[in-house]
Amino acid sequence: GENVEQHPSTLSVQEGDSAVIKCTYSDSASNYFPWYKQELGKRPQLIIDIRSNVGEKKDQRIAVTLNKTAKHFSLHITETQPEDSAVYFCAAMYSGGGADGLTFGKGTHLIIQP
Amino acid sequence: KAGVTQTPRYLIKTRGQQVTLSCSPISGHRSVSWYQQTPGQGLQFLFEYFSETQRNKGNFPGRFSGRQFSNSRSEMNVSTLELGDSALYLCASSLAEYTDTQYFGPGTRLTVL
Repeated sequence: GENVEQHPSTLSVQEGDSAVIKCTYSDSASNYFPWYKQELGKRPQLIIDIRSNVGEKKDQRIAVTLNKTAKHFSLHITETQPEDSAVYFCAAMYSGGGADGLTFGKGTHLIIQP
Repeated sequence: KAGVTQTPRYLIKTRGQQVTLSCSPISGHRSVSWYQQTPGQGLQFLFEYFSETQRNKGNFPGRFSGRQFSNSRSEMNVSTLELGDSALYLCASSLAEYTDTQYFGPGTRLTVL
């Protein structure tokens, strides 16, 4: 089955700086890669996703890049703000028949220092 | 549109008991997936339902089961509870079969004593 590794487990950045979280996956059949943000005591919220036919996707301060050959994808947050503090999870899955659900990384605790 | 809802939000049970959790997907969504979240194992896929049929099942023992009704609402059941079943149980809804975008509910926090 799929295996997703996520790094780092904790990331502390100064407010206004950029943050980068990296994930690798093992199953070359995976074609959908979402990122979720989970604040303490709340549900995971989808913040951005990318499919394997695209190399990069951007939504305001958030961007995701995908390298299918190396089987890794990354989340980039620019101009970080205090409200960006949360745990971020990457995930991978194959969509389109026989999907086994999302396989998640272990999460990155992002801390924005004022 | 209302989001995914789950009931109850909190539950305390003792070992050996069974529990049923409920999930109502976003209106119009027909697929429901269930996940277990623990500090040690993170988020793990339990199973997925579409059109009242279980499509996929994760690597969990047979004590974990579920079902889906004709209105797309889903329930999951855990029998013979163990201490290790203490977790946040999340359901996620998506529009159709094999649709990848999933939206999570608030979860049910289960504590087994």
